[in-house]
Amino acid sequence: DTEVTQTPKHLVMGMTNKKSLKCEQHMGHRAMYWYKQKAKKPPELMFVYSYEKLSINESVPSRFSPECPNSSLLNLHLHALQPEDSALYLCASSQETGAGGWGGTDTQYFGPGTRLTVL
Amino acid sequence: DQQVKQNSPSLSVQEGRISILNCDYTNSMFDYFLWYKKYPAEGPTFLISISSIKDKNEDGRFTVFLNKSAKHLSLHIVPSQPGDSAVYFCAASLVNSGGSNYKLTFGKGTLLTVNP
Repeated sequence: DTEVTQTPKHLVMGMTNKKSLKCEQHMGHRAMYWYKQKAKKPPELMFVYSYEKLSINESVPSRFSPECPNSSLLNLHLHALQPEDSALYLCASSQETGAGGWGGTDTQYFGPGTRLTVL
Repeated sequence: DQQVKQNSPSLSVQEGRISILNCDYTNSMFDYFLWYKKYPAEGPTFLISISSIKDKNEDGRFTVFLNKSAKHLSLHIVPSQPGDSAVYFCAASLVNSGGSNYKLTFGKGTLLTVNP
């Protein structure tokens, strides 16, 4: 089973709203990711959590706030977004091969995404 | 600077024939390569991967070839089926001395259309 689930599937919000995106995996993966994808572009990495700690923040604006409540869940809190933030937001997870040696086998598995529209 | 390049934005093939999708990279430190398939408004689906210690990996109708000296990899789909029509992304990851690879560097994708 390589399933990553995301809710909601679609979200429309105003620029003053606060909303959250949710992601869940039950594969025992210890690394979880948020990506943003615009039409006809590849996914862009936003955040990485490893063992529930934030490992990478790709200089994402503070109106996006990630949270990892436990090893299976990843949230992305949204506040005061701009229309240009409209995109497909993808969650992914990977095994996390751990420290030491050659770590080149961490396949990332993606969820179906949340289509976000900011009005 | 684009480190992973998919120079063909689109490819059209006939059902039953071979589809060959190409990918070039510039960073010789990349050591793990993946192909993802993506339908519109859906997340990428992992297809197949290859590590830099191999030159070929096969899984059913999908075969990935890696030519390290040329910094080139390709995905072969045989036989192609109409359901294979999608955008295919090539991705590469970099060995991190700490152990795990986090960052996938994606190409811009190739739209494959398989005609019945």
